[in-house]
Amino acid sequence: DGGITQSPKYLFRKEGQNVTLSCEQNLNHDAMYWYRQDPGQGLRLIYYSQIVNDFQKGDIAEGYSVSREKKESFPLTVTSAQKNPTAFYLCASSIVHVSYNEQFFGPGTRLTVL
Amino acid sequence: DAKTTQPPSMDCAEGRAANLPCNHSTISGNEYVYWYRQIHSQGPQYIIHGLKNNETNEMASLIITEDRKSSTLILPHATLRDTAVYYCIVRGNYGQNFVFGPGTRLSVLP
Repeated sequence: DGGITQSPKYLFRKEGQNVTLSCEQNLNHDAMYWYRQDPGQGLRLIYYSQIVNDFQKGDIAEGYSVSREKKESFPLTVTSAQKNPTAFYLCASSIVHVSYNEQFFGPGTRLTVL
Repeated sequence: DAKTTQPPSMDCAEGRAANLPCNHSTISGNEYVYWYRQIHSQGPQYIIHGLKNNETNEMASLIITEDRKSSTLILPHATLRDTAVYYCIVRGNYGQNFVFGPGTRLSVLP
């Protein structure tokens, strides 16, 4: 089956610890994205990458870091510098097309910092 | 990217058509209208997109006004499983990203 996987589904961490969220896709998409969602809110873009070894900050990149060493993988690290890390994190991927791109989303990881 | 405005919530009776409006009065000529939905605690799911013409697929129909300043997503026979938050997004060309607002929370009632 082709798709995007995120693991784990639920994650608990103590305050002050860094934590890395996994995102893997086998759709052969060049672009990958990380979004954050707070209760009752829309999605906000954290980071995105349109090609291996390159990525750009989104609207709320502070306190987060990413890497894109492989086309299939785009892990997100939530650092201790992120003031309010408890949220629902969504990863997406898409082709890179001049006119349009449909984004495919993973099931999400719900992070709770205690 | 142009901004979109959607009602925060709507109800629809099961089996009836659900018509979800979206205003995008500042849309420019090269921007597409996309619709996604998100069922509680899951990732958003693509529904449909269009540029100028009306579009239909197995999930829904998208009606875009002639001036392109608004659109309507139509779920022809809503079921309880269509209860979700529906997002209307306007996006332009390569390099621009999706902006997900709060969307419309559709409740399909038995």
